[in-house]
Amino acid sequence: GAGVSQTPSNKVTEKGKYVELRCDPISGHTALYWYRQSLGQGPEFLIYFQGTGAADDSGLPNDRFFAVRPEGSVSTLKIQRTERGDSAVYLCASSLDSETDTQYFGPGTRLTVL
Amino acid sequence: AQSVTQPDIHITVSEGASLELRCNYSYGATPYLFWYVQSPGQGLQLLLKYFSGDTLVQGIKGFEAEFKRSQSSFNLRKPSVHWSDAAEYFCAVVGGGSNYKLTFGKGTLLTVNP
Repeated sequence: GAGVSQTPSNKVTEKGKYVELRCDPISGHTALYWYRQSLGQGPEFLIYFQGTGAADDSGLPNDRFFAVRPEGSVSTLKIQRTERGDSAVYLCASSLDSETDTQYFGPGTRLTVL
Repeated sequence: AQSVTQPDIHITVSEGASLELRCNYSYGATPYLFWYVQSPGQGLQLLLKYFSGDTLVQGIKGFEAEFKRSQSSFNLRKPSVHWSDAAEYFCAVVGGGSNYKLTFGKGTLLTVNP
């Protein structure tokens, strides 16, 4: 079946602009995660959804970052007033149900802030 | 907090040679351990995982890993490398009160010479 998809694959924006990154999880997966991967680093946890609610948003770096999952499927990561330091690959993952289930990752969105 | 160290940033091997990628973790109790592979333009793909039981874990694509509690290590091995194995490899751990928050190492880039 289809895997996790993310759009757009690349996003270039200017400092101070607002961006939205979209994640379509595997159908039927109730858990959804966002990670951020900076150049030369491993992915870092941002936020975890179980269903529609954010169960853990402890990894969001500041209040410019926000994520939603209104119907328990598609999720959108929103970044306000982008800064050059936000440039990274944003990865989305989903898992079937319980927290220990395997996380399946999407190809990521490469965000470049000029 | 848990952490993961991958001491080798870049490894080059010849096709057909054996491979060992090192991973050390820092965590008080027995963690859940993972190896993921990331190819250019692809999402992270799970190679194998260790939760409990047999300390030698078999994964996909002919990879295996051995959990050694005394050394806090979870090294990845393959007896004969193929050119298609060229990619970046990430070791990850889950623990510290969370069953879902993956903490990744910085990755090891594998180059395979013909």
